[in-house]
Amino acid sequence: GENVEQHPSTLSVQEGDSAVIKCTYSDSASNYFPWYKQELGKGPQLIIDIRSNVGEKKDQRIAVTLNKTAKHFSLHITETQPEDSAVYFCAASRLSGYALNFGKGTSLLVTP
Amino acid sequence: KAGVTQTPRYLIKTRGQQVTLSCSPISGHRSVSWYQQTPGQGLQFLFEYFSETQRNKGNFPGRFSGRQFSNSRSEMNVSTLELGDSALYLCASSLAGVSGNEQFFGPGTRLTVL
Repeated sequence: GENVEQHPSTLSVQEGDSAVIKCTYSDSASNYFPWYKQELGKGPQLIIDIRSNVGEKKDQRIAVTLNKTAKHFSLHITETQPEDSAVYFCAASRLSGYALNFGKGTSLLVTP
Repeated sequence: KAGVTQTPRYLIKTRGQQVTLSCSPISGHRSVSWYQQTPGQGLQFLFEYFSETQRNKGNFPGRFSGRQFSNSRSEMNVSTLELGDSALYLCASSLAGVSGNEQFFGPGTRLTVL
């Protein structure tokens, strides 16, 4: 089955700096890669996703890049703010009929 | 639009007991998935129901079961509880299914097994 590895497990940055979280996956047939943000006491919330037909996607301060050859994808957050502090999860799956496989999460702390 | 709701939010049980958790999806969503979240293993997929049929199943023992009703509400049952079942159980709903579609998560049910 699919195995998703996520690094780092914890990340501390100063407000205004950039944060990068990286994930690798094992199933070469995976073609859907979402990122979720989980705040304390809440369920995960989708922040951005990418499908394998594109290499990069941006949404304001958040971007995701995908390298299908190397089987890795990354989340980039620019101009970080304290409210970006949360646990971030990457996931991977095939597009049809398969479950989402999550990485183990990255705890991001943005200090003012 | 109301989000995904889960009841109860907190539950304490003892080993050997059974437990039933409930999930109400967003109105119009036909797919409900269940996940177990623990500090050591992260988010692990339990199963997915779509239109009252189990469509996907993760790698969990048969003590974990679920069902979905005609109104898309779902229940998850764990029998013969073990200490290792202590976790946050998350339910997520989506329009068409877990693959390639945004999952909307509920706040979870925190289960503690003593």
